[in-house]
Amino acid sequence: NAGVTQTPKFRVLKTGQSMTLLCAQDMNHEYMYWYRQDPGMGLRLIHYSVGEGTTAKGEVPDGYNVSRLKKQNFLLGLESAAPSQTSVYFCASSLEAYGYTFGSGTRLTIV
Amino acid sequence: KQEVTQIPAALSVPEGENLVLNCSFTDSAIYNLQWFRQDPGKGLTSLLLIQSSQREQTSGRLNASLDKSSGRSTLYIAASQPGDSATYLCAVKVVSFQKLVFGTGTRLLVSP
Repeated sequence: NAGVTQTPKFRVLKTGQSMTLLCAQDMNHEYMYWYRQDPGMGLRLIHYSVGEGTTAKGEVPDGYNVSRLKKQNFLLGLESAAPSQTSVYFCASSLEAYGYTFGSGTRLTIV
Repeated sequence: KQEVTQIPAALSVPEGENLVLNCSFTDSAIYNLQWFRQDPGKGLTSLLLIQSSQREQTSGRLNASLDKSSGRSTLYIAASQPGDSATYLCAVKVVSFQKLVFGTGTRLLVSP
């Protein structure tokens, strides 16, 4: 049982480059989320989706875009990476009133 | 705005001790509360989920309680082991907004 799978696990980008982080879940969950985790800041919600074809902004959406074209996938894009986006990114999924399942994270460094 | 606080921020105990981690939240309108464990450099592992209508959940040596009216939850770890060393996070799912609000975590170190 795979649960929530994030790719890639590690990445180094140069300032101004773009990239997409992929999150895939095999639990048929409606809700999916992208968080970032920074020292001293805890986990902060970037964007989330309540179903296929829908997305919404979280606490810290600036500089990121997302898409949910298929129910099982939630993509997080950085159009022009900035050093402030250096972080560990976590994807999660859930059913409406149930617990969250998290992926193992993507460690992203912007130089 | 929902705020979640965890006390203590760090805890160091000898192996075998029973211990309690605390979590408090400001808004009682929640769907559920979830306790997670995070090892250094790793992802979040769900430990226990308590629905808003429940008072407690148990899994092995772990027991979590929820008092929604007072905005508090505790995670009780019995007979602690060095393998329990990790950061423990509590998070509440807010009714008014499809969002999981996290506490800042308690860093636990269990010494042999």
